[in-house]
Amino acid sequence: DADVTQTPRNRITKTGKRIMLECSQTKGHDRMYWYRQDPGLGLRLIYYSFDVKDINKGEISDGYSVSRQAQAKFSLSLESAIPNQTALYFCATSDVRFTGELFFGEGSRLTVL
Amino acid sequence: KNQVEQSPQSLIILEGKNCTLQCNYTVSPFSNLRWYKQDTGRGPVSLTIMTFSENTKSNGRYTATLDADTKQSSLHITASQLSDSASYICVVRGNQAGTALIFGKGTTLSVSS
Repeated sequence: DADVTQTPRNRITKTGKRIMLECSQTKGHDRMYWYRQDPGLGLRLIYYSFDVKDINKGEISDGYSVSRQAQAKFSLSLESAIPNQTALYFCATSDVRFTGELFFGEGSRLTVL
Repeated sequence: KNQVEQSPQSLIILEGKNCTLQCNYTVSPFSNLRWYKQDTGRGPVSLTIMTFSENTKSNGRYTATLDADTKQSSLHITASQLSDSASYICVVRGNQAGTALIFGKGTTLSVSS
């Protein structure tokens, strides 16, 4: 099993629908992140969490919310999806030493029609 | 403004040939620089980390260099294989508390037979 697991891997939805992407990890890391990746724009940080009680906005948090249900679980929600949120979403973890190494999940491809 | 620029944006080479990918950054003060490999449809995976005092580091057929004075790094791939086809992402970490990771947009490498 992967150390960082994302569900669903692929999702097609319609404008205005609520969507939740889930992430769970078995690495025992305290820090978890959500990124989105768009062609030509690279990876951009949406939200990050350093522990269960700590949630922080990244550079592109508008239109998104997160929940850290446990040390191992971090979910990303789109309350009312719009087409420009079509992207590849990655969950990542890092340990408290934070040498800068991120451990990524396999990604969740979201298409909003 | 902290930035990471990668070149070329994309590259096509024949199997067995060598290639070099470039990463220039303006992040200051500097902590470390990582190269990630991202296979199509997968999450990025760290290849190597370069700290301020390191000039060259090898990981199999991958050799990374760092010139902290000119703020440049390169990733050299020797005797390329089809499995090297991927995106290569340069990520720089600053040396201040709370410094975010600065991502380059990546170089897409295609190795053809």
